[in-house]
Amino acid sequence: DGGITQSPKYLFRKEGQNVTLSCEQNLNHDAMYWYRQDPGQGLRLIYYSQIVNDFQKGDIAEGYSVSREKKESFPLTVTSAQKNPTAFYLCASSFLREETQYFGPGTRLLVL
Amino acid sequence: QKEVEQDPGPLSVPEGAIVSLNCTYSNSAFQYFMWYRQYSRKGPELLMYTYSSGNKEDGRFTAQVDKSSKYISLFIRDSQPSDSATYLCAMKSRNTGFQKLVFGTGTRLLVSP
Repeated sequence: DGGITQSPKYLFRKEGQNVTLSCEQNLNHDAMYWYRQDPGQGLRLIYYSQIVNDFQKGDIAEGYSVSREKKESFPLTVTSAQKNPTAFYLCASSFLREETQYFGPGTRLLVL
Repeated sequence: QKEVEQDPGPLSVPEGAIVSLNCTYSNSAFQYFMWYRQYSRKGPELLMYTYSSGNKEDGRFTAQVDKSSKYISLFIRDSQPSDSATYLCAMKSRNTGFQKLVFGTGTRLLVSP
């Protein structure tokens, strides 16, 4: 059953806490992406990675960090430096030479 | 001005109606155009993908691109209550190197039985 999985579905963060969102894909895609979705705004790119052990900042990378140690996995850490983390986080992936991206089911992050 | 403009709706139609969803854009370099459907609290699902101008049909869905007007549309024929969702347009330029997808804010569609 091919696809993109994200966990957890819901995540609660306390003030000053770092939390990590998981994203795994078994589509053999080269590139992976993290987006943030807020009400009334389009998807905004946080980080992307086109190859293992390499990643680039997107438009709103401040307060976030990522790693790409395996082709299948691209975890996102929301650090305490991110002052407004409440949002719906979406992971996506694609082949390098294809324009279309495919999305996971999302993780909703809430602040306690 | 946003690169991609999309009316947030909601757009309410009766079952069986023809639905027209639209996006305008300002960057003439955009060459690749996509429509995604997103149900509440779910990830976006790719519906249609078109390159450059013209029409593309897939079942009840037709995607139309008018590059001269910088305007794209998604038509849904014989709309069903299961079509109720938010529809996101996305587009990308053709330039070399990494080019990000630019998304509209989404139009919420409600199809009533």
